Amino acid sequence: DADVTQTPRNRITKTGKRIMLECSQTKGHDRMYWYRQDPGLGLRLIYYSFDVKDINKGEISDGYSVSRQAQAKFSLSLESAIPNQTALYFCATSDPGTSGSGEQFFGPGTRLTVL
Amino acid sequence: AQSVTQLGSHVSVSEGALVLLRCNYSSSVPPYLFWYVQYPNQGLQLLLKYTSAATLVKGINGFEAEFKKSETSFHLTKPSAHMSDAAEYFCAVSDNQAGTALIFGKGTTLSVSS
Repeated sequence: DADVTQTPRNRITKTGKRIMLECSQTKGHDRMYWYRQDPGLGLRLIYYSFDVKDINKGEISDGYSVSRQAQAKFSLSLESAIPNQTALYFCATSDPGTSGSGEQFFGPGTRLTVL
Repeated sequence: AQSVTQLGSHVSVSEGALVLLRCNYSSSVPPYLFWYVQYPNQGLQLLLKYTSAATLVKGINGFEAEFKKSETSFHLTKPSAHMSDAAEYFCAVSDNQAGTALIFGKGTTLSVSS
């Protein structure tokens, strides 16, 4: 079984709709991240969480919100989706206590299309 | 602020040829550096990482990278390309506070022809 899972893997939605992307991990890591990937732009950080009570904005948080329901679950919401939020979204985890380097472990991604 | 520049958005090589993917970084503190690979329709997989130990780092699938502080570079190389190496490659930097978010380059797509 995969250590970091994302649901759904693909989603098509319409402008103005609310949508939630979910991430679950079995690695036991405290730190979780949401990134979006756009062609030619690499990955950009949306939000990150160092534990259940600690949520931080990343580089491109506008239009997004997150919820850390438990150590293992970190959800990303688009309150009112717009077409320029069409992208590939990745969840990642890390545990500096074990890796010491900040190495992050990625889920398989969610491809979101907003029409 | 930290940043990463990957020179060349596309690199094409022949099977058996040397692979060289370039990465330069900017960091005000000693960095941790990473190379990740993304195969089509998959997530990111760690190829190798530099964490201030040996400057020449060996990774999976025959890849290696050398940290050169004087050049602020962390270029990725492989002596002989294989068709299965075709993918997108990302260089990333974090500061030495392990666990902080990574800053990614824009990626380099590697194509391998027979």
